[in-house]
Amino acid sequence: QVQLVQSGAEVKKPGASVKISCKAFGYFFNNYAMHWVRQAPGKSLEWMGWINAGNGDTKYSQKFQGRVTITRDTSATTVYMERSSLTSEDTAVYYCARERNYGWFDYWGQGTLVTLSS
Amino acid sequence: DVQMTQSPSTLSASVGDRVTITCRASQSISSSLAWYQQKPGKAPKLLIYKASSLESGVPSRFSGSGSGTEFTLTISSLQPDDFATYYCQQYNSWTFGQGTKIEVK
Repeated sequence: QVQLVQSGAEVKKPGASVKISCKAFGYFFNNYAMHWVRQAPGKSLEWMGWINAGNGDTKYSQKFQGRVTITRDTSATTVYMERSSLTSEDTAVYYCARERNYGWFDYWGQGTLVTLSS
Repeated sequence: DVQMTQSPSTLSASVGDRVTITCRASQSISSSLAWYQQKPGKAPKLLIYKASSLESGVPSRFSGSGSGTEFTLTISSLQPDDFATYYCQQYNSWTFGQGTKIEVK
């Protein structure tokens, strides 16, 4: 069955970078786009960007443009999200989510908590 | 960016109640709307897509309606498992509403 398994929790210092992985199981990886969504504590969901797993095309939210990089490794059926120049506002749970057909998200990873601490 | 506004932010209800959540888009999104349920510490779960299509495996007490700028999610008879936070999402450019928490009355 379809599963998205994310890497574990991270603790980072302000100014550092973090790279989170999302490994896909149970479907043909190249056929689906993958998105990243952020959720700060007690807040709503915030779309960060997506990658076409087949050709590697990416698109980012204007808010995160220049500070987020999404990549993929098709041989490992894994998508990565790297966030640079972290600040305390980046303390959040980060989710990967598979896009079905025309844009909705049918499967989600379990989430990765990133905590900023000096 | 298309802004999504949900109401109410919090809803107090009892088991068996009929519950309706509204989501408004700042501009027309046709039927490009999904609804998700999220429980504490868990990832969101897809309930409805294309405004009114029920995701496989989701109980039929959930239904969605609307098009253009105004949408609703209805739970016909609230069950204990339904106490959670619900989010709408437009997927023309992927923005979410601020969420509606259904709590025990």
